Amino acid sequence: AQKITQTQPGMFVQEKEAVTLDCTYDTSDPSYGLFWYKQPSSGEMIFLIYQGSYDQQNATEGRYSLNFQKARKSANLVISASQLGDSAMYFCAMRESYNQGGKLIFGQGTELSVKP
Amino acid sequence: GAGVSQSPSNKVTEKGKDVELRCDPISGHTALYWYRQSLGQGLEFLIYFQGNSAPDKSGLPSDRFSAERTGGSVSTLTIQRTQQEDSAVYLCASSRQELHEQYFGPGTRLTVT
Repeated sequence: AQKITQTQPGMFVQEKEAVTLDCTYDTSDPSYGLFWYKQPSSGEMIFLIYQGSYDQQNATEGRYSLNFQKARKSANLVISASQLGDSAMYFCAMRESYNQGGKLIFGQGTELSVKP
Repeated sequence: GAGVSQSPSNKVTEKGKDVELRCDPISGHTALYWYRQSLGQGLEFLIYFQGNSAPDKSGLPSDRFSAERTGGSVSTLTIQRTQQEDSAVYLCASSRQELHEQYFGPGTRLTVT
């Protein structure tokens, strides 16, 4: 079974609008972490935001926020006021505490295109 | 400060040859990870280092793959007798400690002809 599922292979959004990228996960580990990374066409993976399974509040980092719904096992990324530079691949990833070392398990990614 | 660096950025090799990929983590980061990104398989974990030891090698696809880390810093991923299915982008990441966010390098694009 997929541990991380990103159901949107591609998304379009108008510049300055908000967009939500979906991510659902599957784990029996009570302690886990969820991450979002951005990968522009240059190829480098850029860390955006982190949510711990025990965090009471949704994580926010500037224009990025994570809509964490634990019971639904979803961790959607919300980008507010989209900019042209937001066009990239976005990956959701999970770290389970029983995996020694904290290796990340990635979803298949969502390609976001921001239209001017 | 300096980020994670990897070399070479691109490598083209003939099937059957050995290749070495290098990763320089962020200074002071004790944890180092190798991942592979390919069209068919997405992003896959290969190996994790804490200091110079590798407690988790579970992602290495075959015994042709090996890695080492020296001085708690630079790591080398070696692929022996390369095959066409080894063609991928090999990404290195480091973190201050094992459960912190990981910072990635630009990757090495390996093409096996």
